[in-house]
Amino acid sequence: DVQMTQSPSSLSASVGDKVTITCQASQHISKALNWYQQKPGKSPKLLIHDASTLEAGVPSRFSGGGSGTDFVLTIDSLQPEDIARYYCQQYDDIPLPTFGGGTRVEIK
Amino acid sequence: QVTLKEAGPALVKPTQTLTLTCTFSGFSLTSGVCLSWIRQPPGKAPEWLARIDWDADEYYSKSLKTRLTISKDSSKNQVVFTMTNMDPGDTATYYCAREIMVSGKFDSWGPGVLVAVSS
Repeated sequence: DVQMTQSPSSLSASVGDKVTITCQASQHISKALNWYQQKPGKSPKLLIHDASTLEAGVPSRFSGGGSGTDFVLTIDSLQPEDIARYYCQQYDDIPLPTFGGGTRVEIK
Repeated sequence: QVTLKEAGPALVKPTQTLTLTCTFSGFSLTSGVCLSWIRQPPGKAPEWLARIDWDADEYYSKSLKTRLTISKDSSKNQVVFTMTNMDPGDTATYYCAREIMVSGKFDSWGPGVLVAVSS
């Protein structure tokens, strides 16, 4: 099974800061990687699919990159509404998708 | 507009069977579109559990396979999920989600149902 490791597990940043979250796969998964945002008490929301394609309606300050085993989610200018947990999810190992452990983003 | 909603008990006793129903609208389970169940224990990451595709083929988590069943009723736009022999460790919010297979993405989720397992 493909294991997904996210870092950091939590971070605190100021409004306007650039924030970077990394996700590492235990084996090569090409670009089969999606990112989700989950606000407290809500369902996860798809932000990015196929490592770097922004889902419709997602603000352009979010971007994704990487391929193979190393991936990154970037928030260019952190906004108060971005406070949430972020999860990566691989789908290379179909039919068994797996999620990373998550990163909690807080405002400093 | 795509919507999904889970229905089921908020509390089950250990050893009981959990049955959840997902009712969806705004789409059909056609080629490349599946319906998955995903759970999330409090404070933890989501865990994929099961999938049913447009041909009613079923897929299950390796570690939980012996306890899970998924089925669909296309006439009602519903997918039913069962998990047997519930344990307190199965306490979680259970979600159904639409899965688009070409990108392996879960692009629409229900609000979830929190299921506690306790005697």
